[in-house]
Amino acid sequence: EPEVTQTPSHQVTQMGQEVILRCVPISNHLYFYWYRQILGQKVEFLVSFYNNEISEKSEIFDDQFSVERPDGSNFTLKIRSTKLEDSAMYFCASSARSYTQYFGPGTRLTVL
Amino acid sequence: DQQVKQNSPSLSVQEGRISILNCDYTNSMFDYFLWYKKYPAEGPTFLISISSIKDKNEDGRFTVFLNKSAKHLSLHIVPSQPGDSAVYFCAASATTTSGTYKYIFGTGTRLKVLA
Repeated sequence: EPEVTQTPSHQVTQMGQEVILRCVPISNHLYFYWYRQILGQKVEFLVSFYNNEISEKSEIFDDQFSVERPDGSNFTLKIRSTKLEDSAMYFCASSARSYTQYFGPGTRLTVL
Repeated sequence: DQQVKQNSPSLSVQEGRISILNCDYTNSMFDYFLWYKKYPAEGPTFLISISSIKDKNEDGRFTVFLNKSAKHLSLHIVPSQPGDSAVYFCAASATTTSGTYKYIFGTGTRLKVLA
């Protein structure tokens, strides 16, 4: 069964450093998403991406964040200058034309 | 942002009995509702969904009920099995102006099925 994959599973970084989280969505999917879950809190929408551009973003997704689909298979989330409060699980999701999104296993980001 | 609420943080049920997980929402513009199951160190796994124009959807042991007037949905698992032990998230989907779907999640309910 096709699945969304994410790398790395755990990323540790120093405050102020740039990180790139990588995702490989399901191959025939057209819509891509990033969510995050801070420990003990709910899963929160960050951004959606379709047709090589951002479709919607939340207030969390400020200028420090960017997304890219650099080739036909990868979908990345970049945080330019990490802050302590960026520590969270980051989930990538993808969907075909339907509303059902399929999630990856997540990347745990720890900012020290 | 309290648009989707799951008021029970945890639930314990005996194996073979029914598990009922509840979810309330405030925004009547949501067009789909979904339930996801999450194990530790894994991403949310899609379980079942329901359109806002329906009141029930069934898939095997899982049934979702939607009461639009009460802005309430529930997930029934019958019979419950120990492998069902996980955190269950309710999500409401809103269609954005660009045609994508944005999920608003509840805080989750940890289900423990006792053997």
